[in-house]
Amino acid sequence: EVQLLESGGGLVQRGVSLRLSCEASGFTFSNYAMIWVRQAPGKGLEFVSSIGPSGGSKIYADSVKGRVTISRDNSRNTLYVQINTLSTDDTAVYYCMTDPNWNNAYWGQGTLVTVSS
Amino acid sequence: EVVMTQSPLSLPVTLGQPASISCRSSQSLLYRDGNTFLHWFQQRPGQSPRRLIYQVSKRDSGVPDRFSGSGSGTDFTLKISRVEAEDVGVYYCMQATNWPATFGQGTRLEIK
Repeated sequence: EVQLLESGGGLVQRGVSLRLSCEASGFTFSNYAMIWVRQAPGKGLEFVSSIGPSGGSKIYADSVKGRVTISRDNSRNTLYVQINTLSTDDTAVYYCMTDPNWNNAYWGQGTLVTVSS
Repeated sequence: EVVMTQSPLSLPVTLGQPASISCRSSQSLLYRDGNTFLHWFQQRPGQSPRRLIYQVSKRDSGVPDRFSGSGSGTDFTLKISRVEAEDVGVYYCMQATNWPATFGQGTRLEIK
């Protein structure tokens, strides 16, 4: 069974950094590009960042460029995203997802990041 | 960045009746390899999104055949032939032809 398990969210203060993780199982992780998507409370889905299967081809949304770093460790089947200088606008559920362009697409259950002012 | 525009944003539907959601992109989603990376996602209340349709018209595994997708270029449509109670939720189109990928605003489907 395919599973994507996000972790690392929580209540944090404005200005700090946070690293989220997404542990994958049930499929060959190293074959898939991966993306992070976030959803602010009561709002729609927003692309955050993507990374190629080998760790190259990193792409960032304009809204987070310069503050966010995506990475992966294929030996640990884990995807990461580090967000620096958090603001209240970063409050959201963060989902990891497999490459949406492939025949199969999987989502995690999400991890909630709440940034307090 | 490609802008995705969905309509309507709210869609009240009677059980058993059809429903249709439009998605328009600010530029063509036809990729140079001939594929069009336009996908549809469903998010039921309190759940993670799941993909229903990929590359315009291909249904994901386990998706009922009452869901169908069509379109080309910049105009796309998701249709539900007969709405059931379990279809309540928000539907998003997403383009992943031109990166960064972008989503539509979402269409909230509710039962009348």
